[in-house]
Amino acid sequence: GAGVSQSPSNKVTEKGKDVELRCDPISGHTALYWYRQSLGQGLEFLIYFQGNSAPDKSGLPSDRFSAERTGGSVSTLTIQRTQQEDSAVYLCASSLETGTYEQYFGPGTRLTVT
Amino acid sequence: GENVEQHPSTLSVQEGDSAVIKCTYSDSASNYFPWYKQELGKGPQLIIDIRSNVGEKKDQRIAVTLNKTAKHFSLHITETQPEDSAVYFCAATDSWGKLQFGAGTQVVVTP
Repeated sequence: GAGVSQSPSNKVTEKGKDVELRCDPISGHTALYWYRQSLGQGLEFLIYFQGNSAPDKSGLPSDRFSAERTGGSVSTLTIQRTQQEDSAVYLCASSLETGTYEQYFGPGTRLTVT
Repeated sequence: GENVEQHPSTLSVQEGDSAVIKCTYSDSASNYFPWYKQELGKGPQLIIDIRSNVGEKKDQRIAVTLNKTAKHFSLHITETQPEDSAVYFCAATDSWGKLQFGAGTQVVVTP
């Protein structure tokens, strides 16, 4: 079946602009996770959703970052007033439920802030 | 919180030889340990995982071992092939599923 999809695959934006990144999880997966992968660094947890609720937002780097999920499916990660340090690959993963279930990743969105 | 350390950062092996990557974790509550393979320009791909009630798991040429007492787990790839070249990440998670990743190992398999 279809895997996790993300759009856009690439996004170039000017410093100070807002961007929205979209994640479409595997059908039937109730848990959805956002991670960030910066060049030369590892994968960093940002936020997760169980259904439409996000119990833990502690991984978001600043209050310029927000995420929502509606209908228990698609999620959007919004970065306001982008900064150059926001440049990274943003990865989304989904799993059947939260907990020790396999997480399957999408291809990521490469964000470049100029 | 959880801290995962991964070694080595780069690993070069001859085709046909074995590759071993080691990770340690800090949080004794962690109970799920997946391994991911990431090729250039792609998202991480789950290749094998192990849960804390198991000491070893094998899937064809790859195997993972877990030592809960010492808080370390390892990935073993046997009979390496050029297509095994990639970055490999270990990870650990507690009951909420927030994966804490190691820094990654760049594996290069030379023919």
